[in-house]
Amino acid sequence: QVQLVESGGGVVQPGRSLRLSCAASGFTFSNYGMHWVRQAPGKGLEWVAIIWFDGSNKYYADSVKGRFTISRDNSKNTLYLQMNSLRDEDTAVYHCARDEGAVGGTFFDYWGQGTLVTVSS
Amino acid sequence: EIVMTQSPATLSVSPGERATLSCRASQSVSSDLAWYQQKPGQAPRLLIYGASTRATGIPARFSGSGSGTEFTLTISSLQSEDFAVYYCQQYNGWWTFGQGTKVEIK
Repeated sequence: QVQLVESGGGVVQPGRSLRLSCAASGFTFSNYGMHWVRQAPGKGLEWVAIIWFDGSNKYYADSVKGRFTISRDNSKNTLYLQMNSLRDEDTAVYHCARDEGAVGGTFFDYWGQGTLVTVSS
Repeated sequence: EIVMTQSPATLSVSPGERATLSCRASQSVSSDLAWYQQKPGQAPRLLIYGASTRATGIPARFSGSGSGTEFTLTISSLQSEDFAVYYCQQYNGWWTFGQGTKVEIK
């Protein structure tokens, strides 16, 4: 069965960096686009970034552009999110999610439970 | 950015009753509309895509309709496990979500 398990969250000071990971299993990871989606405490869902199946294209929400970098290692079935220059407003649970297609543009058919990132001094 | 607006924010329904949730897009998204269910502390679960196609394993009591800018999710007879928050999402232009509708026990 498809499993997505995030890790790497924690408490970090404003301006610092953090790297999240998402370990995928139960499907051919290299065939699918992958996303990061975040959810601030008590709030709704916000799309963060997408990476194509082969890593050749990446796109970001304006709120994180220039600060966050999405990447993947298809040999390790793992998705990453490098978060730099963190701000208070980046505090959220970060979910990875599988796109139904290889190059995005569709819905998210599987999600991980998420990892909590708290930005606080 | 395409803004998705869901109504109502909270829906109080008795078990066995019908629930109707609405989602409006700020511009046409054709049928590129999905619905997700989220329970506390859990990952969102895909219910509906293409506005009206049930995802694998989703019970028939869940149905979606609409196109363009107006969409509806209907739960025909609420079961205890259906009390949750429901989000609509458009994937016609990047990806944006509604703010959610919480379905609670009346």
